[in-house]
Amino acid sequence: DTAVSQTPKYLVTQMGNDKSIKCEQNLGHDTMYWYKQDSKKFLKIMFSYNNKELIINETVPNRFSPKSPDKAHLNLHINSLELGDSAVYFCASSQRDRSYGYTFGSGTRLTVV
Amino acid sequence: SQKIEQNSEALNIQEGKTATLTCNYTNYSPAYLQWYRQDPGRGPVFLLLIRENEKEKRKERLKVTFDTTLKQSLFHITASQPADSATYLCAPGGGANNLFFGTGTRLTVIP
Repeated sequence: DTAVSQTPKYLVTQMGNDKSIKCEQNLGHDTMYWYKQDSKKFLKIMFSYNNKELIINETVPNRFSPKSPDKAHLNLHINSLELGDSAVYFCASSQRDRSYGYTFGSGTRLTVV
Repeated sequence: SQKIEQNSEALNIQEGKTATLTCNYTNYSPAYLQWYRQDPGRGPVFLLLIRENEKEKRKERLKVTFDTTLKQSLFHITASQPADSATYLCAPGGGANNLFFGTGTRLTVIP
């Protein structure tokens, strides 16, 4: 039973396209997140979301938008993809008390050509 | 803004020795600090959490210390094994703040 699952695992697309990455968690967690890991392996928060509040990292371009149909899902939509968007994107979830740790998905490697 | 530095981008150590990884943070007063392990092609995996009022935490061969005066956490792996080879990430956090990750230290345990 995968706790946090992301699809697809790999995504290759052309500049200018719009794409989505899906994320689902079966842990009953209250909060979900999207992180971006760049080529230097630096893991950077993009969004955190629970059923009450969306917190956006101010450095994230508005071409990126999270969409949550329900508490167990947080999808990431990216419009007008750019070369610099190439990275590994990780979905994660946590209980309301974040001190119990985050559970990460296995990542989606996005390559924009 | 918060800054999290993990000294040593890479650390090589002989099997059986104790590996010590360092995490320093500035412009931040976290309520706790978490440590994660990341293997190539995988997401980070939660290992340990230490709270600001705790000096030390242990879990099997892992030991974490937290010095809020020095703004530093040390992560030790005793009796290291080749299977411990991975990237280790520290992540201070607390309250409504999101978890911010350090740059990671890639540990290689040499047989």
